[in-house]
Amino acid sequence: EVQLVESGGGLIQPGGSLRLSCAVSGFTVSSNYMTWVRQAPGKGLEWVSIIYRGGARYYADPVKGRFTISRDTSENTVHLQMNSLRAEDTAVYYCARAGINVWDNWIDFWGQGILVTVSS
Amino acid sequence: DIQMTQSPSSLSASVGDRVTITCRASQDISHYLAWYQQKPGKVPKLLIYAVSTLQSGVPSRFSGSGSGTDFTLTISSLQPEDVATYYCLKYGDVPFTFGPGTKVDVK
Repeated sequence: EVQLVESGGGLIQPGGSLRLSCAVSGFTVSSNYMTWVRQAPGKGLEWVSIIYRGGARYYADPVKGRFTISRDTSENTVHLQMNSLRAEDTAVYYCARAGINVWDNWIDFWGQGILVTVSS
Repeated sequence: DIQMTQSPSSLSASVGDRVTITCRASQDISHYLAWYQQKPGKVPKLLIYAVSTLQSGVPSRFSGSGSGTDFTLTISSLQPEDVATYYCLKYGDVPFTFGPGTKVDVK
């Protein structure tokens, strides 16, 4: 059974850092594209970042230079390091799987999401 | 970057009605279009990928069509459990882009 379980969220002050983790079971993170999507309270879905099977990493413009996606193949886990956090980063963050190549990388499995609140 | 728009932003229809949601891309995205359903307080659920391929387990009343820049999600006979917000997603090359969503209610 495929499962993605996020952890590491919470309340953080503006300018602070937080590291989200996504523990995966049912498939291997290194054999798939893994992505993060966020949803601000009452708003729509926003793509944040993706890591390809080969290790290439890409980011949405609002988080470029502040967020870093990575994976730990020994733990079968994906991480999102978030630095210089702003109020507008407040959202539920979803970890998700996005296929195995650029031609078939629709998002199919999602975690349950974790809330990050940036506030003083 | 490619922008995605959806229309309408919300709709209300009766049980049994045929419902159509439109998603438009600012450039040709070929077949790299998926649809998601998100019920209140829940995780998004994949309905359709590659424009018209129904995800396993999704009821056949859901269908997708289109190509290039204009795409459609159709619910052939609206059911009470279809109350949700529906999002299109442009995938393939980065950045991925979601549409703003269409909220569907039952009268």
